This record gives sequence, structure tokens and C-alpha cells, in this order.
Amino acid sequence: ELKVEQNPLFLSMQEGKNYTIYCNYSTTSDRLYWYRQDPGKSLESLFVLLSNGAVKQEGRLMASLDTKARLSTLHITAAVHDLSATYFCAVDTVGDSNYQLIWGAGTKLIIKP
Amino acid sequence: DAGVTQSPTHLIKTRGQQVTLRCSPKSGHDTVSWYQQALGQGPQFIFQYYEEEERQRGNFPDRFSGHQFPNYSSELNVNALLLGDSALYLCASSKTSGRARSYEQYFGPGTRLTVT
Repeated sequence: ELKVEQNPLFLSMQEGKNYTIYCNYSTTSDRLYWYRQDPGKSLESLFVLLSNGAVKQEGRLMASLDTKARLSTLHITAAVHDLSATYFCAVDTVGDSNYQLIWGAGTKLIIKP
Repeated sequence: DAGVTQSPTHLIKTRGQQVTLRCSPKSGHDTVSWYQQALGQGPQFIFQYYEEEERQRGNFPDRFSGHQFPNYSSELNVNALLLGDSALYLCASSKTSGRARSYEQYFGPGTRLTVT
């Protein structure tokens, strides 16, 4: 059974600081997704990582994937208050299509001004 | 270009009742997935529809059923509602077929179901 673990589950940090959220998964998968969710809202796609060594950056967020270690990271650089949200990683379970995404529990990120 | 739409946005039902939730996928998408998200938790996969058939199902009882129509829109039906069915129900669309296949799933705004 595929399991996805995120850590930390809760993170409170000051503006301007850097931090990393980790996402470990238990079985082979070549596709990993990062989503953002604001309170009471739906899920917003941030990154789709499709191969080993993939690295994507958007603004202050950068995501990477190491399929051999079964690890993805979401790095936040010089955090700002607007990045406060819950961040989820999710992993595909079927080889040729996104039949089923298995999700981590989410990391609630609070950035204090 | 309209994104994924869901209706209704909020719904209150009593135990034992039945509910139908609706989803229209993003333009150009042919695959619809449904997720249940309880408060403070990650989404749980319910099932996915493609070509009007259920292609994959998560660990949900038969009380949860669905349908996909020829225009790719989809419905989620839940029978004999339980208090534990209270959650945010999210629909996501993606494109499976053709050269522009996308692995990315786009989510709708969700339907907040409260069972009393």
C-alpha cells in the first residue's frame, strides 16, 4: 500500500526565513504533485514533478524530486505572509495515468509578519 | 476558459438521506476524479471516471456511487448518509486521451456537505 508522509505537519516561521517541507513516499512512483490549500478553499496546483531529478521553481517556492530516495522537497525562500497556507504533496499510484492520487496529511504553514 | 465547476457549494442533509453532487470538468478534459476531504485532513480518493466508466476506486463503501455523462460531466451520489460523511467533496479533472494528455489534476471549489 502506497503511503505518503509529510513533515513537518505544522510550521510557524518568521517572514524572511527559509525552510523546507519534506514528502516521503513508500513505493515506486515517477510523478509527484504539490498543491496549496487556503482555509475553506479548494486545492491549487503548484508543481508537477515527472522524473527523477526534476526541479521546478515559482517565485519563492522550489520543488524537487528524488525518485531513488522516494523523497520530494518544497523549499521556501525568504518567506512572506502570503505564503501562509496548507501544502500537500500527492503521489500517483498507477504507471500510465493518474488513476489515483495518494495524499500526504498536509503541512500547515503560518508565516508571521 | 471555465475551470472545474461544482454544485452546490454547500449542502445540509440529515442522516439516512441521499445526496447528489455535480461536477463539470475543465474545458478539454475527459477524466473526472472525486475526493473526500474531512476537516484538517488530506483528500481521500473516492473514484475516477473516464469514458463514462469507473476506472479506479478508493476504499469507500458502495453507498458512494457515481456517473459520467457523454459531455464528461460527472455526479457523485451518496446514499444512507452518515454523520461521518460530513466533509468537503472535491472534484478534479484531467486529460487522459490524446497527445495533450496531462497528468495534472485541476480541482473545483468543492461542495461542503454537512450531515446532521
